[in-house]
Amino acid sequence: EAGVAQSPRYKIIEKRQSVAFWCNPISGHATLYWYQQILGQGPKLLIQFQNNGVVDDSQLPKDRFSAERLKGVDSTLKIQPAKLEDSAVYLCASSFGTSGYEQYFGPGTRLTVT
Amino acid sequence: GQSLEQPSEVTAVEGAIVQINCTYQTSGFYGLSWYQQHDGGAPTFLSYNALDGLEETGRFSSFLSRSDSYGYLLLQELQMKDSASYFCAVQNYGGATNKLIFGTGTLLAVQP
Repeated sequence: EAGVAQSPRYKIIEKRQSVAFWCNPISGHATLYWYQQILGQGPKLLIQFQNNGVVDDSQLPKDRFSAERLKGVDSTLKIQPAKLEDSAVYLCASSFGTSGYEQYFGPGTRLTVT
Repeated sequence: GQSLEQPSEVTAVEGAIVQINCTYQTSGFYGLSWYQQHDGGAPTFLSYNALDGLEETGRFSSFLSRSDSYGYLLLQELQMKDSASYFCAVQNYGGATNKLIFGTGTLLAVQP
């Protein structure tokens, strides 16, 4: 079974530029999550999709972050414009059902904003 | 508000047993999950408790006391490859669905 795929693995941009991350979850997993993990901290949930609908985006900075999951499969997270404090690893995860206690994580995208 | 507390670092020797504690304060508590993350790697699921008591999965066990808002991860027969960060995560019921709220992690260093 293929795992969660993410790209790119690394990205370096200047502040005020835009960036997009892509995620393809495990086949058949209805729930998809985007997390931000700052160095030395635990993952922080940004947005959660159930199929192609948003069920939680309470911690997504909506003035600069956006995400979509068209057709209920892969997803894109965008930051525009980026700030220095956005430097982090962006993790995508998926789970089969809605309980969410067991999530499968992708390798992440390490973003550096200079 | 919601908070989770776990020790920032733990050191142990190969072959030993180590316990990583986690205390939490949250509304809508459903269960407690544990994840392992090696440096530069992705978090991987280890264990889950929804009810009080001990869950055993090979060398790893996890315990939950809902009345004390407390849980722990027990690692036995430590191996060098167990050196990693360990996160407790509260499964929180938020109305439409459940979500995980992660702690800040415990860095475990296993020494020979």
